[in-house]
Amino acid sequence: EAQVTQNPRYLITVTGKKLTVTCSQNMNHEYMSWYRQDPGLGLRQIYYSMNVEVTDKGDVPEGYKVSRKEKRNFPLILESPSPNQTSLYFCASGRTPDYEQYFGPGTRLTVT
Amino acid sequence: GIQVEQSPPDLILQEGANSTLRCNFSDSVNNLQWFHQNPWGQLINLFYIPSGTKQNGRLSATTVATERYSLLYISSSQTTDSGVYFCAVRGNFNKFYFGSGTKLNVKP
Repeated sequence: EAQVTQNPRYLITVTGKKLTVTCSQNMNHEYMSWYRQDPGLGLRQIYYSMNVEVTDKGDVPEGYKVSRKEKRNFPLILESPSPNQTSLYFCASGRTPDYEQYFGPGTRLTVT
Repeated sequence: GIQVEQSPPDLILQEGANSTLRCNFSDSVNNLQWFHQNPWGQLINLFYIPSGTKQNGRLSATTVATERYSLLYISSSQTTDSGVYFCAVRGNFNKFYFGSGTKLNVKP
């Protein structure tokens, strides 16, 4: 089954404790991206990747890091999480930016 | 970045009614998609429609790229149509911009 998976689905952590949210797709897509969703703001893009080893900032990259060492995986790293990073996070992938984008199930992160 | 405005922000319908959701964007786009976020939070791709008209069952979408808007039509609405509908666009760079969504509640 073609899909985008994220782990964990739910995470509660404390300020400053490094965490990684994994994202994997099995569709051989070149384009992958991360979004955060906050009430009333829709989804905002954090980072995107055009292919392996090619990443770039979206609209809200501060406080986040990403890496793309393999085509299928695109982890999101919060090295020192803060309460304002409490949000619902989505990973997405598409063949390229000009094709349909498919979303993972989301990760609800709470930073206390 | 590209500004994306969706209207109305909230919509309440009786089952069986029709509706039109609108998405306006501030610049030319290379990609426009409509998504449905169901009550469980899952985002489902409805249409990839940078221009023209497409139909899928009770849903159809039209994008007039030269006038910078897109419309999503829902006919004979069902309770399962409830959720939030998002429009997303990509401009000349590889970033995507989402509108803030239309929250639809279909009552039985």
